[in-house]
Amino acid sequence: SQKIEQNSEALNIQEGKTATLTCNYTNYSPAYLQWYRQDPGRGPVFLLLIRENEKEKRKERLKVTFDTTLKQSLFHITASQPADSATYLCALEGNNDMRFGAGTRLTVKP
Amino acid sequence: DTEVTQTPKHLVMGMTNKKSLKCEQHMGHRAMYWYKQKAKKPPELMFVYSYEKLSINESVPSRFSPECPNSSLLNLHLHALQPEDSALYLCASSHFLSRPGSNQPQHFGDGTRLSIL
Repeated sequence: SQKIEQNSEALNIQEGKTATLTCNYTNYSPAYLQWYRQDPGRGPVFLLLIRENEKEKRKERLKVTFDTTLKQSLFHITASQPADSATYLCALEGNNDMRFGAGTRLTVKP
Repeated sequence: DTEVTQTPKHLVMGMTNKKSLKCEQHMGHRAMYWYKQKAKKPPELMFVYSYEKLSINESVPSRFSPECPNSSLLNLHLHALQPEDSALYLCASSHFLSRPGSNQPQHFGDGTRLSIL
């Protein structure tokens, strides 16, 4: 069956450090992968999309990599700030729809 | 503020009630989605509308009835819900949908928090 796994339910880091979140998948052959941010009581907000033929994508302090051999995407936030604290979801195109991973709740401590 | 507006923000209803959730977007998107999200779980797709036509129904019970009156509006009609239906209901939209989920970021509203008594 198709699975999307995000490495940990929660990740705590110190302000200024780089946060690295992992998204692994099985039984998918995605043409692209998306990352979203969700704050408590709010809907997910789109952050980045990376295509299968792209190794890396950057947007300001965010960087996403996509390794279709390892079936893995890494999401990095450099120079993290307390305002980056949120749940981060990866999303993959399935057979007929988009499926989300369970998310990683990131807490950046001052 | 999000560009997808959902009303109401909160809804408490009994199992015999009939209510509707509403979603509106004015970004010219032609694909609209309903998701259900339980606490600490990812959003789960319920329905997809493409050009005002239902294109995906993810085996959702008939007590949930979607409607897309026009390209800007999406409704979810609720009837005879169960306590396990209590959740956050999210609406989303995206640009033209060549096939469901294809390569288009989705724009989400902030949801309706639904509680079934």
